[in-house]
Amino acid sequence: EPEVTQTPSHQVTQMGQEVILRCVPISNHLYFYWYRQILGQKVEFLVSFYNNEISEKSEIFDDQFSVERPDGSNFTLKIRSTKLEDSAMYFCASRAGTGPYEQYFGPGTRLTVT
Amino acid sequence: RKEVEQDPGPFNVPEGATVAFNCTYSNSASQSFFWYRQDCRKEPKLLMSVYSSGNEDGRFTAQLNRASQYISLLIRDSKLSDSATYLCAVHSGGGADGLTFGKGTHLIIQP
Repeated sequence: EPEVTQTPSHQVTQMGQEVILRCVPISNHLYFYWYRQILGQKVEFLVSFYNNEISEKSEIFDDQFSVERPDGSNFTLKIRSTKLEDSAMYFCASRAGTGPYEQYFGPGTRLTVT
Repeated sequence: RKEVEQDPGPFNVPEGATVAFNCTYSNSASQSFFWYRQDCRKEPKLLMSVYSSGNEDGRFTAQLNRASQYISLLIRDSKLSDSATYLCAVHSGGGADGLTFGKGTHLIIQP
């Protein structure tokens, strides 16, 4: 069964550093998403991406965040200057674009900012 | 972004019992509804979509009540492996693309 994959599984970085989180969505999917989940809290939407551009972003997705689809398979989330409060699980998700509005999640990257 | 509310639990239920929990949503224009299962420190896994007429998948039944703005999940003949956090997710539509999640209901099945 096709899956969303994410790398790395765990990233430790120092405050102020840039990080790039990587995702490979399911191959025939057209819509891509990033969510985050701070420990003990709910899953929160960050951004959606379709047809090589952002289609929606939340208030969390400020200027320090950016997304890119650099090639036909990868989808990345960059955090330019990490803060302590960016520590969270970051999940990538994708959906087909036709049929039911079902999003499938990758295993996540745990980001720890020290 | 509108809210989705769930009873956090935990629901402690003996193996073999039936358990049900609800989720309420505030945006009456919401279009699509889902139940996800999340194990500790893992990703949300899609359990089932919730259709207007209600739908069943094995031991799991989902219902939608648009008038009262809630969805429900019923688990029959619960198994130890059903222990997890169950997340309700709503797609509001109207140009919004992301899902809005509830905080989840923690279910513990006891032997």
